Amino acid sequence: QKEVEQDPGPLSVPEGAIVSLNCTYSNSAFQYFMWYRQYSRKGPELLMYTYSSGNKEDGRFTAQVDKSSKYISLFIRDSQPSDSATYLCAMIESGGSYIPTFGRGTSLIVHP
Amino acid sequence: NAGVTQTPKFRVLKTGQSMTLLCAQDMNHEYMYWYRQDPGMGLRLIHYSVGEGTTAKGEVPDGYNVSRLKKQNFLLGLESAAPSQTSVYFCASSGVGSGANVLTFGAGSRLTVL
Repeated sequence: QKEVEQDPGPLSVPEGAIVSLNCTYSNSAFQYFMWYRQYSRKGPELLMYTYSSGNKEDGRFTAQVDKSSKYISLFIRDSQPSDSATYLCAMIESGGSYIPTFGRGTSLIVHP
Repeated sequence: NAGVTQTPKFRVLKTGQSMTLLCAQDMNHEYMYWYRQDPGMGLRLIHYSVGEGTTAKGEVPDGYNVSRLKKQNFLLGLESAAPSQTSVYFCASSGVGSGANVLTFGAGSRLTVL
């Protein structure tokens, strides 16, 4: 079992829907949590970054971390076709090597 | 600001040939990484470097070698290419301290081994 589990999808939703993307993990030492967005044939780019537990909001995007359940989520409100991409979660241990552990990514398709 | 630049973007090799992928970053980052991405497998770390002159093995290092002779460059070499090395390769870099948590990726290098 990988340290970070992420459903690969694809997840297909209509434009305007609320999207929920999730990752679970097994390593309780993870303290830094990131979401990267990767468009087709491009490199991943950082979307959201959260330290420890709690929520962080940036426009239509909300990142949520529940360390007690070892579960992180990314919510996208009012989803747009331009949000169609693969979303990868990544995690880093506190005080460790700073090498991130990535999930396999979830493919999201937002259709008009 | 170019960020992370990978060359070449595309390459086709025959089995047994060798090649080198070049990654260059202009952000003065200490850490550099090479990943491969295959369908359904996500990003897998091949090798990484925590500073000039240092390298370390990642999750899938076999068949690859790396060098970091200059801080801004990280080279990935395939000595004898195999069809199993057909993949998209991504280079990334990050800073130190809290900046080490955020990776900046290149656009990728698509390699096909026949």
